[in-house]
Amino acid sequence: GDSVTQMEGPVTLSEEAFLTINCTYTATGYPSLFWYVQYPGEGLQLLLKATKADDKGSNKGFEATYRKETTSFHLEKGSVQVSDSAVYFCALRSAGAGSYQLTFGKGTKLSVIP
Amino acid sequence: GAVVSQHPSRVICKSGTSVKIECRSLDFQATTMFWYRQFPKKSLMLMATSNEGSKATYEQGVEKDKFLINHASLTLSTLTVTSAHPEDSSFYICSASPEPSSYNEQFFGPGTRLTVL
Repeated sequence: GDSVTQMEGPVTLSEEAFLTINCTYTATGYPSLFWYVQYPGEGLQLLLKATKADDKGSNKGFEATYRKETTSFHLEKGSVQVSDSAVYFCALRSAGAGSYQLTFGKGTKLSVIP
Repeated sequence: GAVVSQHPSRVICKSGTSVKIECRSLDFQATTMFWYRQFPKKSLMLMATSNEGSKATYEQGVEKDKFLINHASLTLSTLTVTSAHPEDSSFYICSASPEPSSYNEQFFGPGTRLTVL
C-alpha cells in the first residue's frame, strides 16, 4: 500500500536558518504530493502541492519539488521565521479517477527560536 | 472560502458515555467527508469516509459500532463515539471535499480533543 516517510522531529532552528524536512513516499503510479502545516491549536492547512513529476510547489517561501526518480518531496525554506513554528505533514493522494484519500507521514515538529 | 468547522473543540466525558462530534462545511457543499484520528507524535489515521446519504466506509480495524458516522446533509457529518473508554481519548479531525470524484483537495477542520476519564 501507499506510505509516506518523513524525517523524525523535533527540529529546532534559529530564526533565518535554512530548513529542510525530508519526505519520501511509496505508491503505484503517479500520486499527487502535498505538504500540510498544523499551527498550535489549529487544524491542518494545505501549504503546497505538486501533481506531477518535476512540478515545484511553493507558498509562503516554502518550496518542494516532486522527484519521481527518488520518490521524494522534500520541503525547504531559505530563511525560517518564528511564525513558521508548527507541525508539518507530508502526504500523498493516489493516482486514478475518483481517488481522494490522503496518506500522511507522521509529521515533523518545527520550532524556530529568535 | 472553504472553511470547515468542528464542534466541540474540546470535550471531557466519563467512561461509558457517548460523545457526538459535528463537522460542518461552512461555505461549500461537501459530498464527501473524512474522519481522522491523530495520536500524539503520530500521523493522522483515516478512520472512515462518508458520502452524503449513504453509509460510511470504514478503514480496517475501525469498529463501526463504536464510531458511528452520519452524513445526513451536504454540510454536516457527525461522529459519535459510543460507550467511550479512556483509550478512545484522542484528537479527532474531520475534512471535507467538495466533489466525490475529482482531485479537489480536502479542507480540514480544527479538530476535537476528546478526553475520556
